[in-house]
Amino acid sequence: DVKVTQSSRYLVKRTGEKVFLECVQDMDHENMFWYRQDPGLGLRLIYFSYDVKMKEKGDIPEGYSVSREKKERFSLILESASTNQTSMYLCASSLPLTGSEKLFFGSGTQLSVL
Amino acid sequence: RKEVEQDPGPFNVPEGATVAFNCTYSNSASQSFFWYRQDCRKEPKLLMSVYSSGNEDGRFTAQLNRASQYISLLIRDSKLSDSATYLCVESSGGYQKVTFGIGTKLQVIP
Repeated sequence: DVKVTQSSRYLVKRTGEKVFLECVQDMDHENMFWYRQDPGLGLRLIYFSYDVKMKEKGDIPEGYSVSREKKERFSLILESASTNQTSMYLCASSLPLTGSEKLFFGSGTQLSVL
Repeated sequence: RKEVEQDPGPFNVPEGATVAFNCTYSNSASQSFFWYRQDCRKEPKLLMSVYSSGNEDGRFTAQLNRASQYISLLIRDSKLSDSATYLCVESSGGYQKVTFGIGTKLQVIP
């Protein structure tokens, strides 16, 4: 079974702090994604990466950056956390799209910014 | 207009009932469709893909209507364990374009 592991289940941070969310997958997947999920808004794509050192902006990249130095690891960085970044963050991985993509999600990180 | 629209529910149904959800999409170029299931405070997991000819997996049937741009999920003989949020997902191809609906919450009642 594919395993996508997110480093923290719950995080509490202060406004202005730099926050790192880590994600590791063990199935040699090329694609990795960061989503946030908010009530009434569903999952929204922040950034994705289709290869090492490659990154592309998703629908809501503002206030975030990412890093993919190794194939198995995709990090989401909040340079200066703000209260509107309080959310559930979900990492996912997949093989390249073939018309029947299957996303494997980590268990999520609930981030609270105070 | 949202790219993928779902009724958030909740749908409260008795055990054994048949329940159906619809999901509409706005992108006529959408290529692939899926239903994901998300349990409370858990991550989404793929339930089934949706094929043009319709497909069935046990008590679950998924259908696609390209002319009217909607997909549906039918659950027969509902179980308590079916209680979850069901997310409609469309992909228009390429690395980026996978769009999730907000999900429809189902509560199966004893």
